[in-house]
Parts: sequence; C-alpha cells; structure tokens
Amino acid sequence: DAKTTQPTSMDCAEGRAANLPCNHSTISGNEYVYWYRQIHSQGPQYIIHGLKNNETNEMASLIITEDRKSSTLILPHATLRDTAVYYCIVRDYILTGGGNKLTFGTGTQLKVEL
Amino acid sequence: DTEVTQTPKHLVMGMTNKKSLKCEQHMGHRAMYWYKQKAKKPPELMFVYSYEKLSINESVPSRFSPECPNSSLLNLHLHALQPEDSALYLCASSPLGKGEIYGYTFGSGTRLTVV
Repeated sequence: DAKTTQPTSMDCAEGRAANLPCNHSTISGNEYVYWYRQIHSQGPQYIIHGLKNNETNEMASLIITEDRKSSTLILPHATLRDTAVYYCIVRDYILTGGGNKLTFGTGTQLKVEL
Repeated sequence: DTEVTQTPKHLVMGMTNKKSLKCEQHMGHRAMYWYKQKAKKPPELMFVYSYEKLSINESVPSRFSPECPNSSLLNLHLHALQPEDSALYLCASSPLGKGEIYGYTFGSGTRLTVV
C-alpha cells in the first residue's frame, strides 16, 4: 500500500471548515483513499473513502486531485466534538476473501477551539 | 445493530494471570480483526480472521492467542504477559467481498494494564 504524509497537528475554529491534507504521491491506480478518525480513548471511526471522484457524505467531503497524488478531507462546520486524530490511509482493494490489512500512519491531531 | 462490542473495557492483570478479551458483532461481517494501540501511537494490526479462520498473523508473540468460535465472536486469550503489553486492544469487523470497500467498524477497545 502507498505511504501517506499528513501534518502532525492542525487547529480550527469552531464553526469554520476544517481542511485536512494528505499526500500520497506513490498511489497506484487500484488504491483507494480512506479517512478514519479516532477521538481520544475510543476506537477509530470510518469517515469516507474514494478512488478518483470527489465524495461527500453526512460527515465530510473528500477532494482527490486529478493526478490522485493528494487529497483533502473537509469537515464543513467543525465542532468541538470533531477534535480527534485523523488518519488518511491508502489501500489496495483486493477481493482475497481473506480480509485485508488496514495500516494506520501517524495521522493529524485536529484541535477545534472556540 | 451497527456496533462492535468489546468487554471488559478495562483490565488489570498480573504477569502470571490468564485472561481473555471478548469482541462481539451482529452486523453479519465475516472478517474480524485485533489491533493493539500503545499510547500516542497509531493502531497496529495483530490478527485477521475471515470466515472464522485465521488469515493473517502479524508475527504476534504466542502469549497472545486469538480464537473465533463463531461468526459473531472473537476472543483474545492472554497468558504470561509483560508490562510492555499494556495497551488499548481494539477489535474491528468488516464485510468480505465487495462490501469490504466500505470500511471497518471498530469497538471502543479494552484498556489493558499488566502489573
């Protein structure tokens, strides 16, 4: 799976959009971009994933550049409850029937402040 | 039911004890996972079960023994642990096949302290 690079930490004012970048310059054509977050002392939570096109769900939007070498997770109106570590993961989707590894990098600590 | 339930939430055990962690899901997921997370570090994969069979073991020491008695349950048996094994142990599940693309569901974890 391709490696990802994320900033160690970011701050965001409550009510503003939080834009979390991720670099994955070695991504291959079959690899998807996933975002998870982990609120302190809880299990990671799936947020969104995408392959080529931009994606949006009730939690966030995912913008993937045309060359797929980077992406941005957007939380449109950040709240204090969005304070968490956000993990960008690039993973090949293989129908092995045997389960696939989900490998976490170091992530970005997002702090939402008043 | 869209949750993965882990018990106990906290566990303190001595180095000579034997204990078990339990994980349960009723989403019909046929893959289940154990992760270990040390403080301020990302989760690290330990084991993967698919269709109740062990499919991936990330070279985990034998003092950790996983078991998948049925498609809804996953156990992690602990024996002769060391203080450095103290960590948050996370269980996750996912569909297999095309459904797997939609991500994993994690439990809240068991905070283990070895004394």
